[in-house]
Amino acid sequence: NAGVTQNPKFQVLKTGQSMTLQCAQDMNHNSMYWYRQDPGMGLRLIYYSASEGTTDKGEVPNGYNVSRLNKREFSLRLESAAPSQTSVYFCASSEPGASTEAFFGQGTRLTVV
Amino acid sequence: GENVEQHPSTLSVQEGDSAVIKCTYSDSASNYFPWYKQELGKRPQLIIDIRSNVGEKKDQRIAVTLNKTAKHFSLHITETQPEDSAVYFCAASRYSGGYQKVTFGTGTKLQVIP
Repeated sequence: NAGVTQNPKFQVLKTGQSMTLQCAQDMNHNSMYWYRQDPGMGLRLIYYSASEGTTDKGEVPNGYNVSRLNKREFSLRLESAAPSQTSVYFCASSEPGASTEAFFGQGTRLTVV
Repeated sequence: GENVEQHPSTLSVQEGDSAVIKCTYSDSASNYFPWYKQELGKRPQLIIDIRSNVGEKKDQRIAVTLNKTAKHFSLHITETQPEDSAVYFCAASRYSGGYQKVTFGTGTKLQVIP
């Protein structure tokens, strides 16, 4: 099993450009998440999908949109990138229910210039 | 919402010494407390977790303690080794609205000096 796979691993965008970060998991998990990681701020939830067909805002959703394409795939889109969106983005998945481990992808390092 | 505070932000110890990282949380409904280790440039990975009905859990050189009354939990690493150098994140979690609502601490950068 590959676990959680993200693409791309690195990306440089110009301000105003758009892009989509891809995430796929092969663990048959129902719940998927997008986090951003900034120095000194830990991991902050952008959006989540509790199950296929549902998405909801997390702590820092502004400037992002998501799509739960199917049970395996959950994409994050930046419509008009801003320098404040320079960050490392992690996708994660887990089974819903109490006390379940989150499995993370390898991360996407995004720089907006 | 949940607020998780983690201290210290950086920690340096000599190889063989112990390291302790402390976290507090605010939401009494949180019932699952995982700890993640993130090596430089890598993804966070679970190293140990504890549920709210347990006060302490050990796994070889690492242990976690939970005080529900005081709403704090701690990670203890004994006999530290250079490969323990990483950033450690605590988290508080509860199941709500069909998903696992997880709030992370801000991380502790642990440096083990050989």
